[in-house]
Amino acid sequence: GNSVTQMEGPVTLSEEAFLTINCTYTATGYPSLFWYVQYPGEGLQLLLKATKADDKGSNKGFEATYRKETTSFHLEKGSVQVSDSAVYFCAVGGSQGNLIFGKGTKLSVKP
Amino acid sequence: DGGITQSPKYLFRKEGQNVTLSCEQNLNHDAMYWYRQDPGQGLRLIYYSQIVNDFQKGDIAEGYSVSREKKESFPLTVTSAQKNPTAFYLCASSIEAGGHYEQYFGPGTRLTVT
Repeated sequence: GNSVTQMEGPVTLSEEAFLTINCTYTATGYPSLFWYVQYPGEGLQLLLKATKADDKGSNKGFEATYRKETTSFHLEKGSVQVSDSAVYFCAVGGSQGNLIFGKGTKLSVKP
Repeated sequence: DGGITQSPKYLFRKEGQNVTLSCEQNLNHDAMYWYRQDPGQGLRLIYYSQIVNDFQKGDIAEGYSVSREKKESFPLTVTSAQKNPTAFYLCASSIEAGGHYEQYFGPGTRLTVT
C-alpha cells in the first residue's frame, strides 16, 4: 500500500530562517499529496495540497511541489516565524479516501 | 459555521470500561474516519465509513467499534478489549472533489485509561 517517510525532528530554527522538511512517498498510481499542521492540543489543519505531478501547493508562505520523478513532496518556507512552531505531517491519499501519514516533524522556532 | 465537533476534549476512564467518543459534522460530507495518534507517531486509521449504514475496518480496528446511523454522526466505542486505549483520537470527514479526497479534522479527544 501507499506509505510516507518524512524527516524526523525535532527541528529548531531561529526566526526568519529557511525551512525544509523532507517527505518521500511510495504509491501506486498518482495519489494526492498533503501537508497538515497540528498545533499543541489541537486537531490537524490542512496546510497545502497537490493533486498531480508538478503541481505546487502553497499557503501562508509554505510551498511544496509534487515531484513524481523523485517521489517527493518537500515542505519549504523562506522565512519562518515563531507562530509556525507546530508539528507538520506529510500525507498521501489512500485507496479508500483515507490518508496515510508520516510520523510528523516537530518544528520549534526561536525568536 | 460548518465543521467537525468532537466531545469531550478530555476523557478519563477506568480499565475494563467501554467508552464512546462522539464525532459530529455539518459539512454534508459522505465519508468519515477515525484515527488514533500516539506520541511521536503519525496517525493510524481505526475505522472509516463512506456512506450511511456502512463502515470498514482500518489498520488498527481491534478493540474498537463504530456505527454510522446518520450522515452527520460517526461515534467510536473503545472497548475493554483494546490493550492500549490511552491516546489522542481524531475524527475526520471528507468529500470527493475532482477525483481526490480532502480531509477535514475535528479538534480531537484525549482519552486516558487508568
